[in-house]
Parts: sequence; structure tokens; C-alpha cells
Amino acid sequence: AQSVTQPDIHITVSEGASLELRCNYSYGATPYLFWYVQSPGQGLQLLLKYFSGDTLVQGIKGFEAEFKRSQSSFNLRKPSVHWSDAAEYFCAVAPNNAGNMLTFGGGTRLMVKP
Amino acid sequence: EAQVTQNPRYLITVTGKKLTVTCSQNMNHEYMSWYRQDPGLGLRQIYYSMNVEVTDKGDVPEGYKVSRKEKRNFPLILESPSPNQTSLYFCASSLKQKTGANVLTFGAGSRLTVL
Repeated sequence: AQSVTQPDIHITVSEGASLELRCNYSYGATPYLFWYVQSPGQGLQLLLKYFSGDTLVQGIKGFEAEFKRSQSSFNLRKPSVHWSDAAEYFCAVAPNNAGNMLTFGGGTRLMVKP
Repeated sequence: EAQVTQNPRYLITVTGKKLTVTCSQNMNHEYMSWYRQDPGLGLRQIYYSMNVEVTDKGDVPEGYKVSRKEKRNFPLILESPSPNQTSLYFCASSLKQKTGANVLTFGAGSRLTVL
């Protein structure tokens, strides 16, 4: 069975600083990988996904993530954080034949200092 | 607008009083699923449905029931709610593509409190 670990429960960064949120997964083969964002009081919005091909994936809102097979990681990055990025971020993994069968990590709550 | 609609968005109830959280999607998706979100645990799958009249247990099905009589609707039923079912619930849906490259669309969530 697959599993996902997000080691950082809370992260605080200053507005304009760079951001990296960590995600490690466990799965026997190359999985499908996702990052979702949940703004306060909102549902989950898909930021980006990796199915195959280029291991550097571009998403919405200026986010990107890099799939590193050797490290079983799929870290989320943004070069310059905006106050509106304050939210909870979830990494998720799915089998590579069923992208809707998601297993989520515990989430990382991002706070942005002015 | 393509969307997944959940109702109610907020509910406070008492132990043992049966309740239903409705979920409806207008995208003709075959696949639908329910998750619960708890602090530090992320989202955990309760039940899912691959198509009409086909449902399966997820990781945390105890205390819940579902039905899929129509393609667009996938209600979550709590026959006898208990305080440990206090949580934020999400419904999601997707197409069922042969490649498996499916992406879930989530509803806005339903916050349930059981006293």
C-alpha cells in the first residue's frame, strides 16, 4: 500500500521569500503524484500533478514540483511567496493505473509573515 | 459551472441522530468518493464508487454507509453518529479514464460536529 509523509506540520516564511514544502512517498513503482492546496474554509484545489515525463512539473499560482525517484520525493517549490499563499498544502500519491485512488499526507500549514 | 456540491456545509447534531450528507456532481463522472479530514491525518477515504450501484470501502468505513443509485449523486449516511465522527468531510469525483490519469474534483466540504 502507498503512503505519504509530509515532515513539516507548520512552516512560516516571510512574504517574498522562497518556499519548499517536502513530500516523501512510499510505493512499489512510479506513482502518480499530486499537490493540493486548501485555503481557509475552502475545498481542495489541484496545484499540479505528475503522471509521467518531465520530472519538473509546473502548476498554477507559480508553483512547481520536482519528482525525484531516487529520493522518493515530490517537493513543492515557489520562488517568491505571496501573502495569499497562506493555506494548508497536501501531497498525495496514487497508483499509476488509478489516479483517483489518492492517499494523502498529513498536510503542511503555511503561514506568511508580512 | 462544473462542480461538486455538498450539503449541508455545516451541521451540529447529537449522538445517535441519523443524518445524511448529500453530494452531487454535474460532470457526468463515473467515479465518486468520500473523505474525512482530521488535523494531522490529512484526508482519509471513507467509501468510493466506480459507477452506479458499485461501491467499495475505503480506509475508514466504520460507522458510515453510502449509496449510488444515480450517477450524479453519492450520499454519505451516518446511521448513528458518534462524537469521533466529528470531522470535515469532502466529496470528490472524476472520470474513469482507461489510462488511469484521473484527477479528482472536490466539493467545498461539510463540517460536521456530533455532540
